[in-house]
Amino acid sequence: NAGVTQTPKFRVLKTGQSMTLLCAQDMNHEYMYWYRQDPGMGLRLIHYSVGEGTTAKGEVPDGYNVSRLKKQNFLLGLESAAPSQTSVYFCASSTGLAGPGEFFGPGTRLTVL
Amino acid sequence: EDQVTQSPEALRLQEGESSSLNCSYTVSGLRGLFWYRQDPGKGPEFLFTLYSAGEEKEKERLKATLTKKESFLHITAPKPEDSATYLCAVKLDSGGGADGLTFGKGTHLIIQP
Repeated sequence: NAGVTQTPKFRVLKTGQSMTLLCAQDMNHEYMYWYRQDPGMGLRLIHYSVGEGTTAKGEVPDGYNVSRLKKQNFLLGLESAAPSQTSVYFCASSTGLAGPGEFFGPGTRLTVL
Repeated sequence: EDQVTQSPEALRLQEGESSSLNCSYTVSGLRGLFWYRQDPGKGPEFLFTLYSAGEEKEKERLKATLTKKESFLHITAPKPEDSATYLCAVKLDSGGGADGLTFGKGTHLIIQP
């Protein structure tokens, strides 16, 4: 099993450009999450999904959109990138509330110039 | 406001020197407390979940404990390979939603040979 995978691993954007980050999991998990990690801030939840076709806002959703068209995939979109979105983005998945915790992907390092 | 505070921010130990990391939380409705390990450039790796005060879990040189206000991660006779950032996170009782984790900022642990 590959677990949770993320593509791309690195990306540099110019202000105003758009992009999509892809997360895939092969553990048949219902729940998927997108976090961002910034120095001195810790991990913060952007959006999450409790199943195929569902999405919900987390702590810092502004400037991002998500889609969960297939159970195994969770996409994070930036429509008009801003320098404040420079960060490391992590995807995670889990079985649910009583599960053993969330399994994280390796991260995508995004720089917006 | 729900908060998770980890201390110390950084800790440097000699190999074999045991110590403890602290995670204190001020949240209403705790559904679980999680410990993760994060190596540089990688995603967090799940270590433990604790659900109720008095609960303890162990894995190799690590033992996690939970009280009503804080959790400790005890490291016994650490080795250099235990060097990492240790993250604490809580899942809140928000009415049944799988709305992700609230993380502390982490403790950066260095074990010197």
